[in-house]
Amino acid sequence: EDKVVQSPLSLVVHEGDTVTLNCSYEVTNFRSLLWYKQEKKAPTFLFMLTSSGIEKKSGRLSSILDKKELFSILNITATQTGDSAVYLCAVRGNTDKLIFGTGTRLQVFP
Amino acid sequence: EAGVVQSPRYKIIEKKQPVAFWCNPISGHNTLYWYRQNLGQGPELLIRYENEEAVDDSQLPKDRFSAERLKGVDSTLKIQPAELGDSAVYLCASSFRDLAFFGQGTRLTVV
Repeated sequence: EDKVVQSPLSLVVHEGDTVTLNCSYEVTNFRSLLWYKQEKKAPTFLFMLTSSGIEKKSGRLSSILDKKELFSILNITATQTGDSAVYLCAVRGNTDKLIFGTGTRLQVFP
Repeated sequence: EAGVVQSPRYKIIEKKQPVAFWCNPISGHNTLYWYRQNLGQGPELLIRYENEEAVDDSQLPKDRFSAERLKGVDSTLKIQPAELGDSAVYLCASSFRDLAFFGQGTRLTVV
């Protein structure tokens, strides 16, 4: 059965810290992995990864995929209080179904 | 360009009452998803459409849930009758190729 596991479930840091969020997956015929930030209700798109070893970067956020070891990481450097959110990882396989993990809740305190 | 639009944003109903949610996807997106998200959990797929065809509804509780996608564009999700356990956030997403974007969601509270 396809599944996505995120860790840690929860993370509390101070502003300026760097965090690494993990996402491991098992899916038939992997196609893509997506990261979302969810602050209230709507998940907002961050990155889509399809190839191993190619880092995607947007400001202080970056992500990379390892298709051999079946995981991805999301890094946030110099965290700010506005980074506080739930970060969701989702994987798409050959069925086109987008399967989500339970998310990592990040809290950044001043 | 407008994103995925959902309505209503919030809904409070008594158990056994019906409720409906509406979703307007991004123009040109053929794939539309309905997800349900319980507190502290990731979104779980209820149904996926390719144009007007429901291609994956295996997780939709068909005794009380129904959905339709009009002319392959807008979609509605209905619950009748609602139960207390249906309280959750209902998310609609649309995608083109592998990029999927979500609407604001509807928070349903059944009392």
